[in-house]
Amino acid sequence: DVKVTQSSRYLVKRTGEKVFLECVQDMDHENMFWYRQDPGLGLRLIYFSYDVKMKEKGDIPEGYSVSREKKERFSLILESASTNQTSMYLCASRPMGEGMGTEAFFGQGTRLTVV
Amino acid sequence: AQKVTQAQTEISVVEKEDVTLDCVYETRDTTYYLFWYKQPPSGELVFLIRRNSFDEQNEISGRYSWNFQKSTSSFNFTITASQVVDSAVYFCALSEGNSGGYQKVTFGTGTKLQVIP
Repeated sequence: DVKVTQSSRYLVKRTGEKVFLECVQDMDHENMFWYRQDPGLGLRLIYFSYDVKMKEKGDIPEGYSVSREKKERFSLILESASTNQTSMYLCASRPMGEGMGTEAFFGQGTRLTVV
Repeated sequence: AQKVTQAQTEISVVEKEDVTLDCVYETRDTTYYLFWYKQPPSGELVFLIRRNSFDEQNEISGRYSWNFQKSTSSFNFTITASQVVDSAVYFCALSEGNSGGYQKVTFGTGTKLQVIP
């Protein structure tokens, strides 16, 4: 059974803390994504990576960075957490070579609260 | 720019009723894919179906059916005889283009479906 695993389901962090959200996939997919999900706004792309050490900004990258040192792992970093980053964060992966018609596989999400 | 609109924010139906979730998209590409995903309370989005822009055949899978109409840029999803387990948030998504090996996917804002027993 294919799997995308996010390290935490729930996190509570303080304003100003550096926060790491971890995502691991076991499908050998080239593409990995971080989305943020907010009520009424749907899923918004923060960053994506199409290869190890490669990253591209999505639609809302401000306040975030990412790291992809190994193919199976994609980390989202909040350099200095703020209350407006309280949200549900979803990681996804997708193979590269099968084109735009390939579905993405999602993790279970991390609900982050910044206080 | 691509856009996906799910105008229905929340829908409530009584069990066994039929329900249709609307999805309208915008794209300048002639080649693209449309998807539906289900997000149950557990949080993980689950893929339901994909359709490419050259295939306007409707599809039925059990109680689920999809109506793709390019003329109205719509890809609607119908659940027949709804069940409580259908309660979830449903997302429509559009995949197009190929920029540096990445195919951009745009999600709608989702429709929350509540099926009341």
